[in-house]
Amino acid sequence: NAGVTQTPKFQVLKTGQSMTLQCAQDMNHEYMSWYRQDPGMGLRLIHYSVGAGITDQGEVPNGYNVSRSTTEDFPLRLLSAAPSQTSVYFCASSTWGRRYNYGYTFGSGTRLTVV
Amino acid sequence: AQSVTQLDSHVSVSEGTPVLLRCNYSSSYSPSLFWYVQHPNKGLQLLLKYTSAATLVKGINGFEAEFKKSETSFHLTKPSAHMSDAAEYFCVVTSNNAGNMLTFGGGTRLMVKP
Repeated sequence: NAGVTQTPKFQVLKTGQSMTLQCAQDMNHEYMSWYRQDPGMGLRLIHYSVGAGITDQGEVPNGYNVSRSTTEDFPLRLLSAAPSQTSVYFCASSTWGRRYNYGYTFGSGTRLTVV
Repeated sequence: AQSVTQLDSHVSVSEGTPVLLRCNYSSSYSPSLFWYVQHPNKGLQLLLKYTSAATLVKGINGFEAEFKKSETSFHLTKPSAHMSDAAEYFCVVTSNNAGNMLTFGGGTRLMVKP
């Protein structure tokens, strides 16, 4: 089925470790983004991309890097994990019409715990 | 700038009774508005979207929402609640001038009593 695929679904890291969360979509969407979801704070944008080779920071970018070498893939890298990065991470993709957005498709999430 | 306010953090209804989840938004430009549902430990599923001049939007599972520009509201309704509707609901706004940024409301947890 078409959609957004995130891996892994669960991950436990030690403080200071690095890792990459993978995100891939097969809908040829130009827009991709990463959000984190924390209790009581809703979803907050980490980084986003409007096309291959173009990325930009969102609301909470510190401690994360992204790259977009292809339309399909948008990995999120944690450089040196901290307990404050314990969260559920969602990748989303979308496409726009001339004025309106057609809706975002979300992956199933990655539950990350940093100890 | 854009923002979303979901007026109720928790809503409790009895099965078979109507559901109303309230959402107000602000946006400088023509907004695209969405309702998403999230069941426990699951991802977000798109319920419905407003992207055109049709102000009454029908979504999946019997949900619908009415876009009222004069009231800057986008309330979600369903005539008859089902137990499977128990979940968290997010009202979301974006617009062309907001780049790729979705702005989420704080969420409304819907509880359905038998």
